[in-house]
Amino acid sequence: NAGVTQTPKFQVLKTGQSMTLQCAQDMNHNSMYWYRQDPGMGLRLIYYSASEGTTDKGEVPNGYNVSRLNKREFSLRLESAAPSQTSVYFCASSESFGQEGGNTIYFGEGSWLTVV
Amino acid sequence: ELKVEQNPLFLSMQEGKNYTIYCNYSTTSDRLYWYRQDPGKSLESLFVLLSNGAVKQEGRLMASLDTKARLSTLHITAAVHDLSATYFCAVVPGTYKYIFGTGTRLKVLA
Repeated sequence: NAGVTQTPKFQVLKTGQSMTLQCAQDMNHNSMYWYRQDPGMGLRLIYYSASEGTTDKGEVPNGYNVSRLNKREFSLRLESAAPSQTSVYFCASSESFGQEGGNTIYFGEGSWLTVV
Repeated sequence: ELKVEQNPLFLSMQEGKNYTIYCNYSTTSDRLYWYRQDPGKSLESLFVLLSNGAVKQEGRLMASLDTKARLSTLHITAAVHDLSATYFCAVVPGTYKYIFGTGTRLKVLA
């Protein structure tokens, strides 16, 4: 069972370069998320997509853009990478936010990004 | 400002001992999640607590939720080395926005 798949797993960028993190889920979930994880900071929400065709900013959106390409795929783009964007990035998905079932959020394996 | 605070941030405990991790949050949330993360790995769902007074147990872990106090606890009974990991709580104060705590790094010593 694939679940949530992210690529690449590791990437080193030079300051100012751009790149896109790809994410796909095969659980037919409506909602998708991008988080970053930094030591001592827990996970912070960058952007989310409540449903196909919509995206919204989270806690720390500056320096990022997203695209919900279709129901399965949600990409995160760094247009001009900065050292402060060195982090571990997690893509996640959930069925939706509703009244029943708890709507557990499922995470990908993470992408380790270093900006030098 | 919404805050989800966990304490302790670091916990080193002996095998066989009991301990509790606390998760306090500053705004209304009708549900709370607990996750586990092993080093270098993704997050794995442990518990979903959907209402005030909810209690869930799995093996040596038991989670509870008090929505009036805005507090959840994760109790560890007779810890074993395999429980060493970082534990996160998360609340959902608004539609779609899961907000995570800073995590509690647990190390169980043999």
